[in-house]
Amino acid sequence: KAGVTQTPRYLIKTRGQQVTLSCSPISGHRSVSWYQQTPGQGLQFLFEYFSETQRNKGNFPGRFSGRQFSNSRSEMNVSTLELGDSALYLCASSLAVNTEAFFGQGTRLTVV
Amino acid sequence: AQSVTQLGSHVSVSEGALVLLRCNYSSSVPPYLFWYVQYPNQGLQLLLKYTTGATLVKGINGFEAEFKKSETSFHLTKPSAHMSDAAEYFCAVSGSRGTGFQKLVFGTGTRLLVSP
Repeated sequence: KAGVTQTPRYLIKTRGQQVTLSCSPISGHRSVSWYQQTPGQGLQFLFEYFSETQRNKGNFPGRFSGRQFSNSRSEMNVSTLELGDSALYLCASSLAVNTEAFFGQGTRLTVV
Repeated sequence: AQSVTQLGSHVSVSEGALVLLRCNYSSSVPPYLFWYVQYPNQGLQLLLKYTTGATLVKGINGFEAEFKKSETSFHLTKPSAHMSDAAEYFCAVSGSRGTGFQKLVFGTGTRLLVSP
């Protein structure tokens, strides 16, 4: 059974640009959540989608957005990139609301 | 708001020694608690979780944790460390029972170093 797949694995962008990260959940999983991991702030919750609806949102500026498609795949977008957005972005999927989350390997974003 | 405190950013043990990683939580409601492990350049792997019921939880790779409500603790232990256990370990609490498992609040992590 394939795990959570995140693409791309590595990305380098310039300040001011925008970026889109993709997450394919485990087959059959309907919930997808996103986290940002940085050395300074640690792991922080970004948002969660379930059946194409955003259920929860963390404390991030509006430059961070996401969506989920009917096949449960999810994308997150960051506009007007800042140096501080450099981080490992992790996606996790779960079968339903009260089941454990399985994480992908992450996308390493570097903003220069 | 819920929070997690992991005592010790680094813990060093010898191979074969007991592993003890400390985690204390703060929660206004009965929490769901988790331990995850992260290897370099990898995502997070769930080691074990506590939801309800038995307070001693057994996980993968020989790890276990005990939920102690009176001490608001959920420490992770393993009787005998292996070199392959060297990684970073994260304790997490769910945001609230209403949001289920998905909105996790993580501790700052503890890097486990295992020497031969």
